[in-house]
Amino acid sequence: AQKVTQAQTEISVVEKEDVTLDCVYETRDTTYYLFWYKQPPSGELVFLIRRNSFDEQNEISGRYSWNFQKSTSSFNFTITASQVVDSAVYFCALSVTDSNYQLIWGAGTKLIIKP
Amino acid sequence: DGGITQSPKYLFRKEGQNVTLSCEQNLNHDAMYWYRQDPGQGLRLIYYSQIVNDFQKGDIAEGYSVSREKKESFPLTVTSAQKNPTAFYLCASSSRQRRETQYFGPGTRLLVL
Repeated sequence: AQKVTQAQTEISVVEKEDVTLDCVYETRDTTYYLFWYKQPPSGELVFLIRRNSFDEQNEISGRYSWNFQKSTSSFNFTITASQVVDSAVYFCALSVTDSNYQLIWGAGTKLIIKP
Repeated sequence: DGGITQSPKYLFRKEGQNVTLSCEQNLNHDAMYWYRQDPGQGLRLIYYSQIVNDFQKGDIAEGYSVSREKKESFPLTVTSAQKNPTAFYLCASSSRQRRETQYFGPGTRLLVL
């Protein structure tokens, strides 16, 4: 069975602090994809990143970075120098080829950035 | 601009009434999905369609129905059999080349009067 765990329900930091959102996944499949989506207060889910199981390289995009570690089944997301606009709910998700690419969602982490 | 549109943004349903949520995409994507999100919760899959005239039930299909007569459209009907329909409904789509990556519309908030 597949599962995604985001243990942090809510995180609150002061602007300009760095913050890391944790994501742990479970799957027996060798081919899978991992995702992060952002859901701002407006509600729309915004795609941030996709990673496939064969690519463990970390990725950086501006203030965002992602750390994929197969050894610990984790795909953590770090925001450097956080800004108020980063306040949102962030979802981690898993997709495996054997389940028709259906997304298995974590429960989400609510990130509050205080000015 | 290419994207996914959902309408209306807010929808009110009376007891015993069926209502239909619209989802349209001009991304030429083959697959489309409907999710339900309850306050403070994650997403749950209602229905999905990988091709025109075909669709499959997701985890919580009871009380809902869909159709896929056109590639760009995937309307969701919330029937009177759905006893607790108040939620945020999100539509998504994915391409044949990148089936694993779903892109989302802005959502419809359904409230029961």
